[in-house]
Amino acid sequence: IAGITQAPTSQILAAGRRMTLRCTQDMRHNAMYWYRQDLGLGLRLIHYSNTAGTTGKGEVPDGYSVSRANTDDFPLTLASAVPSQTSVYFCASSEGATTEAFFGQGTRLTVV
Amino acid sequence: GQNIDQPTEMTATEGAIVQINCTYQTSGFNGLFWYQQHAGEAPTFLSYNVLDGLEEKGRFSSFLSRSKGYSYLLLKELQMKDSASYLCAVRDSNYQLIWGAGTKLIIKP
Repeated sequence: IAGITQAPTSQILAAGRRMTLRCTQDMRHNAMYWYRQDLGLGLRLIHYSNTAGTTGKGEVPDGYSVSRANTDDFPLTLASAVPSQTSVYFCASSEGATTEAFFGQGTRLTVV
Repeated sequence: GQNIDQPTEMTATEGAIVQINCTYQTSGFNGLFWYQQHAGEAPTFLSYNVLDGLEEKGRFSSFLSRSKGYSYLLLKELQMKDSASYLCAVRDSNYQLIWGAGTKLIIKP
């Protein structure tokens, strides 16, 4: 079934540790996004990639990095996790800048 | 700054009609989206408006007025499975999505 897959589904992480959240899509979409969702707030864009080989910073990029080596994969790395990065992380993709986004199932991350 | 406003929570009765409003102030406008998100799940696409007027899709309709910075999502013949959060999002001049915090819709029998 075509779609977006995120891994892991959930994770408890010690503060200061490095962590990579994985995201893979098989829809051959050009654009990919990483969002975080916190209670009472809208989805906030962390980083995005309009096409393979390019990335850009979103609204809340500090403490996160991404890479886009190919069309399908868009991993998000937390270099040194802090408790404020406790959140639900969603990866999404879209065919282009004007089309709807499709979301992965999310990664629930708790930093302690 | 950019801002999307929607009510935090609404309650409606099974079989009834509910209207969820969204007002926005963004740097540019390149379309407005509505998504549905059940608790613990990913958002799923419901509708897209880029021109003024009403878009109808089965039991769901979405309306847009660009001059007023206003949209609403209309849900008819409510079912218990419609209990979810409804997210309004606007594509700004950079084609990035700006999201509202969502409206939690509670359906009562």
